Amino acid sequence: QSALTQEASVSGTVGQKVTLSCTGDSNNIGRYGVGWYQQISHGAPKTVMFGNSLPPGIPDRFSGSKSGTTASLTISGLQPEDEAHYFCSTWDNRLSVQVFGGGTKLTVL
Amino acid sequence: DVQMVESGGGLVQPGGSLRLSCAASGFTFSGYWMTWVRQAPGKGLEWVANTNEDGSEKHHVDSVKGRFTISRDNTKNSLSLQMNSLRAEDTAVYYCARGKAIIDCWGQGTLVTVSS
Repeated sequence: QSALTQEASVSGTVGQKVTLSCTGDSNNIGRYGVGWYQQISHGAPKTVMFGNSLPPGIPDRFSGSKSGTTASLTISGLQPEDEAHYFCSTWDNRLSVQVFGGGTKLTVL
Repeated sequence: DVQMVESGGGLVQPGGSLRLSCAASGFTFSGYWMTWVRQAPGKGLEWVANTNEDGSEKHHVDSVKGRFTISRDNTKNSLSLQMNSLRAEDTAVYYCARGKAIIDCWGQGTLVTVSS
């Protein structure tokens, strides 16, 4: 069982806006920034959100936010190439480990 | 360009050892925390270990404590993971990654298979 909870699957149509969530507690998301990682077809992960910042080369249809102990990744204007698994992670101050969510499979219909 | 290239993976018998290496380039290696993350077949991402900028601070996940050791050589821009007493459950792709808590850059990974 992962320390961070993500939806197992989310789907959307091309052009739609979708939001993926990542829920933790006061020891992790409530205390630190969150990273979001895209993994396409079991390739290497790619960082698509670094805290609230967009890494170079990532389209601005990706955005991130956090409220309390829940972080969100929003994709506005979904594209076929966005179909992937998305993982969130942050540091956990109580466990002294980096924690990951179990991942969300995003399907573009 | 920022680049991290892992090497050293392979097939090893249970109880055996492997040493993974990560060659970093395109950034000031000594200015960053570095991390190893693994992914078992069909599973999610799991943090394994990290180390601070000068290697004086190291953290390992409980399941590998006493068996794995992370280290770095800032003179060679290199990160390593010494893995001893390997178990079947250590079978995974191991990724070298830059950062602590939040990763901003990943290597392509190296596969470690522990099997007799």
